[in-house]
Amino acid sequence: NAGVTQTPKFQVLKTGQSMTLQCAQDMNHNSMYWYRQDPGMGLRLIYYSASEGTTDKGEVPNGYNVSRLNKREFSLRLESAAPSQTSVYFCASSGGGLGYTFGSGTRLTVV
Amino acid sequence: GQQLNQSPQSMFIQEGEDVSMNCTSSSIFNTWLWYKQDPGEGPVLLIALYKAGELTSNGRLTAQFGITRKDSFLNISASIPSDVGIYFCAGLNYGGSQGNLIFGKGTKLSVKP
Repeated sequence: NAGVTQTPKFQVLKTGQSMTLQCAQDMNHNSMYWYRQDPGMGLRLIYYSASEGTTDKGEVPNGYNVSRLNKREFSLRLESAAPSQTSVYFCASSGGGLGYTFGSGTRLTVV
Repeated sequence: GQQLNQSPQSMFIQEGEDVSMNCTSSSIFNTWLWYKQDPGEGPVLLIALYKAGELTSNGRLTAQFGITRKDSFLNISASIPSDVGIYFCAGLNYGGSQGNLIFGKGTKLSVKP
């Protein structure tokens, strides 16, 4: 079982470039989430999808968009990257009740 | 919004020592979770607590769900080098309209061998 798979693992962007972070889960979970992790800030929710076909904003959605492509996949898009979006991004999924399963993260640097 | 205050932010301990960390909130949670994050990896669930007053162990780890439902603590006994990492508490409420899991800012644990 792969669990939650994120790609890419590392990425460097120039300010203004766009990119999409991919996430897929094979646990048949309904809910999926995107978090960012910054030093001293813990994990902050960017967007989530409670079920296929729905998405909602989290705590820090500005500058991001998401797509729940199907039950397995939930992508995060940066349309015009800014240095403030330099962070480690985690995707997670949940089947309800027992907490979340996290991917291993995407380390993004915007220069 | 809901916030969790986790302390301490970091700690250095000698191998073999016991460790204690806690999390408090001004809000009530239905479930408390403790995660550990190894360097370069995503958080992994250690312990889940579902009932106020519940005390649960997982090997050398023991966690308790506070009776007020606003706090939780995690103890690690006889620490070893592989305990190094960041420990996060998280509060969970079911049925909310927003992504339900609220994280503390983490306790970074470093062990001197």
